[in-house]
Amino acid sequence: EVQLLESGGGLVQPGGSLRLSCAASGLTFSNSVMRWVRQAPGMGLEWVSTISHSGTFYAESVKGRFSISRDSSKSTLYLQVNSLRAEDTAIYYCACANLGAYRFDYWGQGTLVTVSS
Amino acid sequence: QSALTQPRSVSGSPGQSVTISCTGTSSDVGAYNYVSWYQQHPGKAPKIMIYDVTKRPSGVPDRFSGSKSDNTASLTISGLQAEDEADYYCCSYAGSYTWVFGGGTKVTVL
Repeated sequence: EVQLLESGGGLVQPGGSLRLSCAASGLTFSNSVMRWVRQAPGMGLEWVSTISHSGTFYAESVKGRFSISRDSSKSTLYLQVNSLRAEDTAIYYCACANLGAYRFDYWGQGTLVTVSS
Repeated sequence: QSALTQPRSVSGSPGQSVTISCTGTSSDVGAYNYVSWYQQHPGKAPKIMIYDVTKRPSGVPDRFSGSKSDNTASLTISGLQAEDEADYYCCSYAGSYTWVFGGGTKVTVL
């Protein structure tokens, strides 16, 4: 059974930084495309970033501020979030799929990031 | 990219069918057969219900079906059940390794 467990969220001041983590199990991590999706309170889903064998990719709203990475030895996905703004307040979900699959097969339960002074 | 357009809400009685539309552009929904649908119950993570426009993952009831015409994709729930009450989101590949979601539709079982 695939399990994704996010951590690292919290309350941070505008301009601050956090590193979100997503520990994966039950899948071949190196053969998976990993993504981050966020959901602002009471709002819809927004794709944030993807990492695959093809590289790293970002939504325009976070480009230059967020950085996605992975540690295959730990089966863990990361999202470094810098220069945070109030509009970055959201639940951040990690999601995965097999390489070449154009979908989000499995989702974690999410970690809440709140940006407020 | 702009979010895909979905109705805010749809409703139906148990046993009825409801259809949720998802309108994009010729750069996303119209360009690729990579539309997927996700169900989200309150306080829970999304769950995939349909992928590649029409395909159902293992374990998803065949009451759920998907289709697409030009720039609009649709999700139909036939034989509506109480447990189908949730928010539903469409998603489309938009090229260059980017993705766009719809704004979400709340399905209410009357």
